[in-house]
Amino acid sequence: DVVLTQTPPTLSATIGQSVSISCRSSQSLLHSNGNTYLNWLLQRPGQPPQLLIYLVSRLESGVPNRFSGSGSGTDFTLKISGVEAEDLGVYYCVQSTHAPYTFGAGTKLELK
Amino acid sequence: EVQLVESGGGLVQPGRSLKLSCVASGFTFSNYGMNWIRQAPGKGLEWVAYISSGSSYIYYAETVKGRFTISRDNAKNTLYLQMTSLRSEDTALYYCARGRGMGYWGQGVMVTVSS
Repeated sequence: DVVLTQTPPTLSATIGQSVSISCRSSQSLLHSNGNTYLNWLLQRPGQPPQLLIYLVSRLESGVPNRFSGSGSGTDFTLKISGVEAEDLGVYYCVQSTHAPYTFGAGTKLELK
Repeated sequence: EVQLVESGGGLVQPGRSLKLSCVASGFTFSNYGMNWIRQAPGKGLEWVAYISSGSSYIYYAETVKGRFTISRDNAKNTLYLQMTSLRSEDTALYYCARGRGMGYWGQGVMVTVSS
């Protein structure tokens, strides 16, 4: 099974600070069809997760453009350019290239 | 508006069965693969199962393979998860989510396995 390693597990930030989260995969997430099915989700307290980024770098409709995704193969990054209070919660990367699909362990973004 | 509404959860004894449902609306259900994903109390997300739009492709997590069955009824816009031989470690909030991209999620339904 694909293992996704997210770092750091916890991130403390001030409002306006830019932060990055890493997601490393135990194997390439490039599908034979040419797509890389690596997504980023945010789960706010008491809420279901919401999709932020899909296919590595595509911004989901309605998601602020301070969120961006990058990477390829086995190394991926989510960047928040200017954290806002509403961004607090747990961020997960998830891969759906290889079954069984797998999630990273999560990164909790807190206010410093 | 896309909506996914799960139901069928509750308290069940170890070894017993339970069937979850997820009713979809606001989109053409038959065009999308669907997932079940769960979250144990205070823990992270765990993918459980996926079914393609026409039920041709079905995948399971190793932790549930042989005990859980995912299915769908496109005429009823409904996704199912039949859970058998339930264990305490299956206790979780169960979400259905649309597509390989998991772009939409329901609010979840709680399953508690305890004697």
